[in-house]
Amino acid sequence: KNQVEQSPQSLIILEGKNCTLQCNYTVSPFSNLRWYKQDTGRGPVSLTIMTFSENTKSNGRYTATLDADTKQSSLHITASQLSDSASYICVVLSYNTDKLIFGTGTRLQVFP
Amino acid sequence: EPEVTQTPSHQVTQMGQEVILRCVPISNHLYFYWYRQILGQKVEFLVSFYNNEISEKSEIFDDQFSVERPDGSNFTLKIRSTKLEDSAMYFCASSEVRGTYEQYFGPGTRLTVT
Repeated sequence: KNQVEQSPQSLIILEGKNCTLQCNYTVSPFSNLRWYKQDTGRGPVSLTIMTFSENTKSNGRYTATLDADTKQSSLHITASQLSDSASYICVVLSYNTDKLIFGTGTRLQVFP
Repeated sequence: EPEVTQTPSHQVTQMGQEVILRCVPISNHLYFYWYRQILGQKVEFLVSFYNNEISEKSEIFDDQFSVERPDGSNFTLKIRSTKLEDSAMYFCASSEVRGTYEQYFGPGTRLTVT
């Protein structure tokens, strides 16, 4: 069954600290993996999209990694800000389909 | 910057009533999608739409649901006879092309069925 699992479920960090969120997936055949940021009550906003051949992709303070062999991805947030408080969702697209498969997300809270 | 818009932001309806959720995708986008998110759960794909046809739908998208692009700008999701379990946040998204291209999500419509 195509699934996307994320850890941890929730995370609390202090402003200025770094953190890393994890994603494991079983989706096959694999097309691409995305990380989205979702503020409470809002739609998801794309941070990165990575295909099979990409190992790392950065978007400002966000850096995503992908290991297609082990089917794992991570999202590293550097120098966290209060505005980073949100859910971060790992999403995988299988080949030749429109159906994005969402993880349950990691709820990040950044405190001053 | 262009964005996907959705109306209404919150809809309350009684069980058994029909509801229409509206979306205006980004103007040059060709692919349109509906997703739902039940409170506290993951976002789930409902349907994709291209060239005035459904291109893919999930098992959730049964005969109670329909989608339409009634004019050149709007994209709607209709639920014919709402059930309590239809209460959720419904997100519309659009993309220029399918596949690796980014899907841009709207702010969502919170549907509450009483």
